[in-house]
Amino acid sequence: AQTVTQSQPEMSVQEAETVTLSCTYDTSENNYYLFWYKQPPSRQMILVIRQEAYKQQNATENRFSVNFQKAAKSFSLKISDSQLGDTAMYFCAYVKETSGSRLTFGEGTQLTVNP
Amino acid sequence: KAGVTQTPRYLIKTRGQQVTLSCSPISGHRSVSWYQQTPGQGLQFLFEYFSETQRNKGNFPGRFSGRQFSNSRSEMNVSTLELGDSALYLCASSFTGGRYNEQFFGPGTRLTVL
Repeated sequence: AQTVTQSQPEMSVQEAETVTLSCTYDTSENNYYLFWYKQPPSRQMILVIRQEAYKQQNATENRFSVNFQKAAKSFSLKISDSQLGDTAMYFCAYVKETSGSRLTFGEGTQLTVNP
Repeated sequence: KAGVTQTPRYLIKTRGQQVTLSCSPISGHRSVSWYQQTPGQGLQFLFEYFSETQRNKGNFPGRFSGRQFSNSRSEMNVSTLELGDSALYLCASSFTGGRYNEQFFGPGTRLTVL
């Protein structure tokens, strides 16, 4: 069975600084997708960034980028120029390419951006 | 395009009762998945429906069931409620859900069981 682990329950960062959230996963599959979702206090899950396992290039979306290490099964999220609106719970998630919509989530990391 | 909608947003029930939650996907989306979110267990997959058929099922007891209608709207039902069923129930829709399509989440239904 696939598992996703986030070892940092809570993190904090000063506004405008950079922070990295860690995620490791376990799978025997070769084709899969990895995601970072953000869940602010409103509880609305928002997709932050997505990485296809077959792509060696790390995904980037504006201030958000990932460091995808397939062999190490590591998938970290870097947030640059942190903003107060980035305060949220962040979830790392995995889905096997052929398993439809069945996402496996990590435990989450509560990120607080301080002014 | 309207997003995923879930009704009701909040619900209070007592042990032993049953409850039905509703999810309306984004127009054109045919796959609807349900997740349970609790502080203790985190986010767990319940089931996925595609074209009115259950395509995937998580490890939940038979008290949890669902269905999907021809317009892709989905309902999930929990019978004989237990205190541990108190949770945020999220649904997500995607276009086909086969080869991975991005899922869009609804705002959730907060269920409290007393």
